[in-house]
Amino acid sequence: DVKVTQSSRYLVKRTGEKVFLECVQDMDHENMFWYRQDPGLGLRLIYFSYDVKMKEKGDIPEGYSVSREKKERFSLILESASTNQTSMYLCASSSPGGGQNYGYTFGSGTRLTVV
Amino acid sequence: AQKVTQAQTEISVVEKEDVTLDCVYETRDTTYYLFWYKQPPSGELVFLIRRNSFDEQNEISGRYSWNFQKSTSSFNFTITASQVVDSAVYFCALSSYNTDKLIFGTGTRLQVFP
Repeated sequence: DVKVTQSSRYLVKRTGEKVFLECVQDMDHENMFWYRQDPGLGLRLIYFSYDVKMKEKGDIPEGYSVSREKKERFSLILESASTNQTSMYLCASSSPGGGQNYGYTFGSGTRLTVV
Repeated sequence: AQKVTQAQTEISVVEKEDVTLDCVYETRDTTYYLFWYKQPPSGELVFLIRRNSFDEQNEISGRYSWNFQKSTSSFNFTITASQVVDSAVYFCALSSYNTDKLIFGTGTRLQVFP
């Protein structure tokens, strides 16, 4: 079964800490994405990547950075965590284009609490 | 700008009732995709359907059906004979044809009571 795996289900970090959220996919997908989910706001795109070492800002990139050194791994970095970054973070991957074999798969999420 | 609106924040029904979740979208693209996802209490997003803008045929999959109307920019989702296992948050989403970036609505929480 194809999978997007996020390394942690729950995380608690202190304000000012550098935080790494890891995401690995085993589907050889070119595209990878980081979203955050907040009540009443739905999911919002933070960053995405269409290829190794390539990244583009989404709708809410402030306070975040990303790294994609290998095709299967896409990391979200909070350089200095703040309480307003307490949220559910969801990673996703997809294969480009469409057709019957289209795939867009989400991980199970990381619930981050910054105290 | 692209936007997806799910005006229903929360819906409660009793088992076996039919329920329709509304989704209205805005886009200037002529070609685009529309999606529905289910998020059960476990938290993982489950893909339900993707529809491209050229295909306005309604789709039925078991108890689920989708009604796509370009004239009203709507992509509504109906669950027939709802069950307790349908309780979840449902998200409608939109993407341009040449990108996989999803624009999500704020979600509708469906509670099905026995």
